[in-house]
Amino acid sequence: GQQVMQIPQYQHVQEGEDFTTYCNSSTTLSNIQWYKQRPGGHPVFLIQLVKSGEVKKQKRLTFQFGEAKKNSSLHITATQTTDVGTYFCAEGSNYQLIWGAGTKLIIKP
Amino acid sequence: DGGITQSPKYLFRKEGQNVTLSCEQNLNHDAMYWYRQDPGQGLRLIYYSQIVNDFQKGDIAEGYSVSREKKESFPLTVTSAQKNPTAFYLCASRSSPGIEQYFGPGTRLTVT
Repeated sequence: GQQVMQIPQYQHVQEGEDFTTYCNSSTTLSNIQWYKQRPGGHPVFLIQLVKSGEVKKQKRLTFQFGEAKKNSSLHITATQTTDVGTYFCAEGSNYQLIWGAGTKLIIKP
Repeated sequence: DGGITQSPKYLFRKEGQNVTLSCEQNLNHDAMYWYRQDPGQGLRLIYYSQIVNDFQKGDIAEGYSVSREKKESFPLTVTSAQKNPTAFYLCASRSSPGIEQYFGPGTRLTVT
């Protein structure tokens, strides 16, 4: 069945450095959603991308959907401690979401 | 104050016992979901329901059961047949034709 591969599993950064997580699929994605889960918390919806080549920004977060709609990325500029958590991508199809495994953002002390 | 509530936050059970996790929403959403999350892992779908009195198995339904007698409520029973029940359980809902899923705070189940 459809799978969404997400990399890396973890990323350690110094506060102020950038962070990027990638989602890839072997088949065309109808859309891609991004969620953030804080440590000990629950996933919270960030955004949905639908169009080929779409780019959306939320403050320091930039979301991209590939031209072929087979990949997506989330880039955070100048990370802050409030960015700590796990970022998930997911493809919405019918009534289900197909989830990536998540990328955990860890800020080095 | 609209949202999804799950209770309890922490639950401890002995092996061999069935346990029911509560999920209630007052968002008037049609669709509801149950996910399991293991440490350092993504979300795996257990069951989902698109409408009252109807539900479908997800990827890991074995050892679990659900009911959807009311729009607001979607309880999950973890049966003794579930081999590794210790996990973080998340309930979610979605409006129709909404796009995003709204999650409850989760229940951490520990079975010893």
